[in-house]
Order: sequence, then structure tokens, then C-alpha cells
Amino acid sequence: DTGVSQNPRHKITKRGQNVTFRCDPISEHNRLYWYRQTLGQGPEFLTYFQNEAQLEKSRLLSDRFSAERPKGSFSTLEIQRTEQGDSAMYLCASSLEVWSRSGANVLTFGAGSRLTVL
Amino acid sequence: DQQVKQNSPSLSVQEGRISILNCDYTNSMFDYFLWYKKYPAEGPTFLISISSIKDKNEDGRFTVFLNKSAKHLSLHIVPSQPGDSAVYFCAASRVSQGGSEKLVFGKGTKLTVNP
Repeated sequence: DTGVSQNPRHKITKRGQNVTFRCDPISEHNRLYWYRQTLGQGPEFLTYFQNEAQLEKSRLLSDRFSAERPKGSFSTLEIQRTEQGDSAMYLCASSLEVWSRSGANVLTFGAGSRLTVL
Repeated sequence: DQQVKQNSPSLSVQEGRISILNCDYTNSMFDYFLWYKKYPAEGPTFLISISSIKDKNEDGRFTVFLNKSAKHLSLHIVPSQPGDSAVYFCAASRVSQGGSEKLVFGKGTKLTVNP
């Protein structure tokens, strides 16, 4: 297993176009997260899945954003009618959720997909 | 609202000296804290973590200290090496009945270790 894989690494698009990013998590991981990072900021949470169920969505995730994780494996993040403000690095992460009072939910991140909206 | 704050955008230290990166949080429900390191063009990579039941955790050159009463944690790197130059993110989470919740990140501190 080579870790979390994200494609494409870089996408340049014109305002109003739709874009889709794909994330392939570590195979045994049951949780998958999407974060967004803009310049000078830390990763901001967008949404996460446990297996195929989408458990939480941030208010940052407008109606133009949709994420899916069919069959609990890879995930896609689609942005419809892109705006210049959507330009950011979109990070995917996965983890193996093991509930424990002293346990950690350590996320393993992919290298990210950079979106540039012209 | 910034629940996890890293007030120093950058830090520069000499090779061999100690690097101290600070982080403050506002949500008293957080009970797990992590540090991630990020190189340019790569995703963040996990460095070290600490549970709220501890006040110190060490891993080689890296030590994280947690002061719950002050809602403050710090990462100590000693001795610092040029390869440690990166952006360091502090992150926090809480464990609920449903399991660990999402990580909340700070804005990061860019560490530069000068040879």
C-alpha cells in the first residue's frame, strides 16, 4: 500500500466549470476525510465518511460541493459551477477508527489536489 | 472562530538548538492533540500526539507538552536539524461515544533551521 493517493494533483479550470477530485485511501482504513487548505491557513474540515456513510459536513461545504464514497472505498469530491474563491488545495486523508479513550485518530494525508479557478 | 491557534507564523533557529512551537486552544472539550509537519508540495505528515490524560509525550528528538489548565501545548525539537525546516500544524480532536471526531487545525508555524 503506497498511502493515500489523490488525482489529479493539479487542476486549472475556468469559472463556472465543474471539477471532480478522486481520493484512494489506505485500503484498511474505514474513515475518509476531505479538507481544504488555502494560503496561510491550516487545513479546514469539509466532510468525512465512515465506510460509505457521510457522517458530517462542514458549513463550508456549500450546495455546489458534493462528496461520495461508494462501497466505502475511494471517494470523489465534485465542485459544480466553480468560483475563484474555490481555488485551494483539497486534501484527502484516511484513518482507521478504533475507539479508545486514550487512542488517536491519526489521519494519513494524501499530497493534495490543487485547484486553480481562472 | 479559531478553536486552535498558532500565534507565531514563523520561527527561525540555529542548527543544534532547541525549537519550541506553541499552540493554544479554546475548546475545553478537546482531549487529543496532534502535531503534523508539512513540506512544500506534500500533504501533512503525522509527527507526535498527546492525550489529555498525559502532560508529556516524547518520541526521539520531539517532545510535546500539554498544559490543560492553560489550554496550551508546545512542541519541542532538540536538537534542531535543517531537515526539520517545514510548516508545523497543531491539531485537536475529541473522543465521543461515536468515536474520534474530526481534527481541527491551527494555521501553522513555519520553522526554519539554519545550518
